[in-house]
Amino acid sequence: KAGVTQTPRYLIKTRGQQVTLSCSPISGHRSVSWYQQTPGQGLQFLFEYFSETQRNKGNFPGRFSGRQFSNSRSEMNVSTLELGDSALYLCASSLEQGGGDGYTFGSGTRLTVV
Amino acid sequence: AQSVTQLDSQVPVFEEAPVELRCNYSSSVSVYLFWYVQYPNQGLQLLLKYLSGSTLVKGINGFEAEFNKSQTSFHLRKPSVHISDTAEYFCAVSGAGYSTLTFGKGTMLLVSP
Repeated sequence: KAGVTQTPRYLIKTRGQQVTLSCSPISGHRSVSWYQQTPGQGLQFLFEYFSETQRNKGNFPGRFSGRQFSNSRSEMNVSTLELGDSALYLCASSLEQGGGDGYTFGSGTRLTVV
Repeated sequence: AQSVTQLDSQVPVFEEAPVELRCNYSSSVSVYLFWYVQYPNQGLQLLLKYLSGSTLVKGINGFEAEFNKSQTSFHLRKPSVHISDTAEYFCAVSGAGYSTLTFGKGTMLLVSP
């Protein structure tokens, strides 16, 4: 059974640009959550999607957005990139909303903003 | 609101010694508790979880954790560590019925020969 797939693995962007990250959940998983991981702030919740609807959102500016498609694949977009957006972005999927069965994480996309 | 405190940022230990990584949480509702491990340049892998029932939870790679409601703790233990256990370990809490995981800052386990 394939795990959670995130693409691309690495990305370098310039300040002011925008970026789109992709996440394919485990087959049958309907919930997809996104987290930002930085050395200073640790793991911070961005948002969760379930059945194509955003169910929860973390405390991030509106430059961070996401969506989920009918096949449960999800994308997140960051517009007007800032140096502080450099981070490892992790996607996690679970069977149900709430992740009570435990989230399965992808390997992440490492974004570097220069 | 919920929060997680991992009391040690780094735990050095010799190979084959026992180890305990400490985690305390706070939450106003009943909780689900998790331990994840992260190897360099990897995502997070679920070690074990507590949802309900027995307070002693066994996970993968010989790890176990005990849920202590009165002390609001969920410490992770392994009786004998290997070099390959060197990694960062994260404790996380989710309020039952909520849909977000709140993570601790992580504990780096450093196993030396």
